[in-house]
Amino acid sequence: LAKTTQPISMDSYEGQEVNITCSHNNIATNDYITWYQQFPSQGPRFIIQGYKTKVTNEVASLFIPADRKSSTLSLPRVSLSDTAVYYCLVGDKLNTGFQKLVFGTGTRLLVSP
Amino acid sequence: NAGVTQTPKFQVLKTGQSMTLQCAQDMNHEYMSWYRQDPGMGLRLIHYSVGAGITDQGEVPNGYNVSRSTTEDFPLRLLSAAPSQTSVYFCASRPAGGAGGPRDTQYFGPGTRLTVL
Repeated sequence: LAKTTQPISMDSYEGQEVNITCSHNNIATNDYITWYQQFPSQGPRFIIQGYKTKVTNEVASLFIPADRKSSTLSLPRVSLSDTAVYYCLVGDKLNTGFQKLVFGTGTRLLVSP
Repeated sequence: NAGVTQTPKFQVLKTGQSMTLQCAQDMNHEYMSWYRQDPGMGLRLIHYSVGAGITDQGEVPNGYNVSRSTTEDFPLRLLSAAPSQTSVYFCASRPAGGAGGPRDTQYFGPGTRLTVL
């Protein structure tokens, strides 16, 4: 069962770049790495997903080294509204084909003015 | 599309009572699942379904039942509520996936906050 390890919390200021690193030493060959964002009293929301190297979308970048044992979520120029919990997940496919997402405790990001 | 909807938003039960949490999605997703989130913790999988008529257990299934008679609906039943089931419950859906990748993205509902006294 692939598990992930992330820092419990991070602090930043508006306008700064934030990098959150996740460790997933037991990632399987077919597993993708997915990051979710969760605001208080809301369900998690998909941010970005990748398999290797670098992926970029309109909100974030994801850096994955060649050995895929870790990944880094990069949030450029954060704002107060980026204050949330960020989860790094590695899919764990069950025999039924269902991709069970294993949530850790996530990283609580606090952005201050 | 409304996405994933859950009712009720809040519920208070007494120990021993039963109830059903409702979940519906209008995206024609094959896969649906229920998670619970305890304070300060990540989500844990309760039950999941890979299609109408097919359900299976997740990490913490005890005390919960599910059924999937239609693609759209996936209700979660608490048989005899206990204080340990006080939590926030999230329903999620996604299209059936292959080897992984973008189709693994799950869409979560807004959650039901349940308190068992």
